Amino acid sequence: KNEVEQSPQNLTAQEGEFITINCSYSVGISALHWLQQHPGGGIVSLFMLSSGKKKHGRLIATINIQEKHSSLHITASHPRDSAVYICAVKGGTSGSRLTFGEGTQLTVNP
Amino acid sequence: KAGVTQTPRYLIKTRGQQVTLSCSPISGHRSVSWYQQTPGQGLQFLFEYFSETQRNKGNFPGRFSGRQFSNSRSEMNVSTLELGDSALYLCASRLTSNAYEQYFGPGTRLTVT
Repeated sequence: KNEVEQSPQNLTAQEGEFITINCSYSVGISALHWLQQHPGGGIVSLFMLSSGKKKHGRLIATINIQEKHSSLHITASHPRDSAVYICAVKGGTSGSRLTFGEGTQLTVNP
Repeated sequence: KAGVTQTPRYLIKTRGQQVTLSCSPISGHRSVSWYQQTPGQGLQFLFEYFSETQRNKGNFPGRFSGRQFSNSRSEMNVSTLELGDSALYLCASRLTSNAYEQYFGPGTRLTVT
């Protein structure tokens, strides 16, 4: 079993829909990251969380430390949100380095 | 500030050759981490350097090595290339090895034929 599990693996939505991507982890962590990767490879860090909730524009990230679970929400989705979203955790057996989920491929159709 | 830069962006090599990739971190950042991304394995940690010392290493064979220079620029080297080494190699920099925020470069796409 991977230390970091994401669901769903693939997600297709219509423009304007509310989107949720989930991340569960099995070890104690010091921080959790949500990353966005567009075609071509570049990765952008969206959020770094250690507790609670963060919001940036149409993106919201939450984390529940007790349940070892985090969610990334996108409100009013847009085709430009189409990308791979990756959850990564710092801590646990990996110490200070990041351990990554397999990613969620999001496609938002106009 | 300029972001993390990686060179080259694309590279084609043949089996058995060796390759060196370069990463320049954000100015002032002293920690550089390297990652390999493949369709089958996803993103995997290779190693991290801080102040010219390797601080952490992932589960990769000894063919993968790296170093960091006094200006924090880092290189990674892969010797005796195998087809399975074809991947996107990403580096990320952060202020220190304890800082939470990492900033990723655009990656180097390596194809081994």
